[in-house]
Amino acid sequence: DAGVIQSPRHEVTEMGQEVTLRCKPISGHDYLFWYRQTMMRGLELLIYFNNNVPIDDSGMPEDRFSAKMPNASFSTLKIQPSEPRDSAVYFCASSLYSSYNSPLHFGNGTRLTVT
Amino acid sequence: KQEVTQIPAALSVPEGENLVLNCSFTDSAIYNLQWFRQDPGKGLTSLLLIQSSQREQTSGRLNASLDKSSGRSTLYIAASQPGDSATYLCAVEGSTLGRLYFGRGTQLTVWP
Repeated sequence: DAGVIQSPRHEVTEMGQEVTLRCKPISGHDYLFWYRQTMMRGLELLIYFNNNVPIDDSGMPEDRFSAKMPNASFSTLKIQPSEPRDSAVYFCASSLYSSYNSPLHFGNGTRLTVT
Repeated sequence: KQEVTQIPAALSVPEGENLVLNCSFTDSAIYNLQWFRQDPGKGLTSLLLIQSSQREQTSGRLNASLDKSSGRSTLYIAASQPGDSATYLCAVEGSTLGRLYFGRGTQLTVWP
């Protein structure tokens, strides 16, 4: 199994530009999570999906952030327009059923820098 | 809101030592607690998952315990090795299924 795959690994963009982060979860996993990690705030849950349906998006910081999961093997996190304070490492993670009995599997993250 | 605290924030030990990392949480109504390892520039790797009905889990040189009533968990690493150097995070899944609350981690350095 290739694990959770995220792209790109690094993204540098200018303020105001649109940024799209991509994630391919582990095949068969029905939960998908987007996290953001910063030195100031640690790991924060942004949104998660169950069977491609958004369940909890209360962690999405602003309307500038949106996430989609058009099918079981692909999800995107979009920031439009981007701002310097969005600079962080964004992780995608997936699990089978819920993490109640199943550990969470993380991708290697996308390091976003907004100048 | 659930708050997760990890002590110490950083730890540096010589190879071969047994060590304990601590995690505390404010709300004892949890489904499970997980310990993760994060290497620089990498994602998190799940080490151990303890369900709320369990007291401990073991994997190799790692042993994690859970005392839900007191809101505490410990990760015990036996005979530490330089390859154990990483940041260790604990996370609890609270009353909302699927939502994990993470601590800030303990940065461990094991020197030869």
